[in-house]
Amino acid sequence: KAGVTQTPRYLIKTRGQQVTLSCSPISGHRSVSWYQQTPGQGLQFLFEYFSETQRNKGNFPGRFSGRQFSNSRSEMNVSTLELGDSALYLCASSLDLPGVNTEAFFGQGTRLTVV
Amino acid sequence: GDSVTQMEGPVTLSEEAFLTINCTYTATGYPSLFWYVQYPGEGLQLLLKATKADDKGSNKGFEATYRKETTSFHLEKGSVQVSDSAVYFCAPRSSNYKLTFGKGTLLTVNP
Repeated sequence: KAGVTQTPRYLIKTRGQQVTLSCSPISGHRSVSWYQQTPGQGLQFLFEYFSETQRNKGNFPGRFSGRQFSNSRSEMNVSTLELGDSALYLCASSLDLPGVNTEAFFGQGTRLTVV
Repeated sequence: GDSVTQMEGPVTLSEEAFLTINCTYTATGYPSLFWYVQYPGEGLQLLLKATKADDKGSNKGFEATYRKETTSFHLEKGSVQVSDSAVYFCAPRSSNYKLTFGKGTLLTVNP
């Protein structure tokens, strides 16, 4: 069974540009969540989608957005990139049967560098 | 909001030493509890889990017990190996499905 796949693995962007990151969850998983990891702030929750609806949202500015498609694949977009957006972006998927809080499985991450 | 207080490292041990990494949490409702491990340059791997009070999660010699009365989920291993060197994260997942992470504990095991 394939794991969570994130593309691309590495990205270099210039300040002011926008970027789109992609996440393919484990087959059958309907929940996808996104996290930003930096040395200073650690792992911070961005948002979570379930069946194409945003179910939870972290405390990030509106420049950070996401969506989920009907096949559960998800994308996150960051507009007007800032140097501080340089980070490892991690995606996780979980099965989440009704009323059952299941474990999340993570992808390898996308390393974004803003110059 | 949900939060995790995790023992800050770095923790440096000799091979075969006993490991404890403390973790306490606050979370909405009745959370499931997880420990994740991150090796250099990689994503997070699920190490173990516990979904209800007094459950003991275990994997690869690591153990943690869900203590509801003290809201704790301490990670232990009786004899660490060099290959256990990594960053460890405690993470409750609340009943609203939000997963919250501690700051992580860097463990270095010397031969």
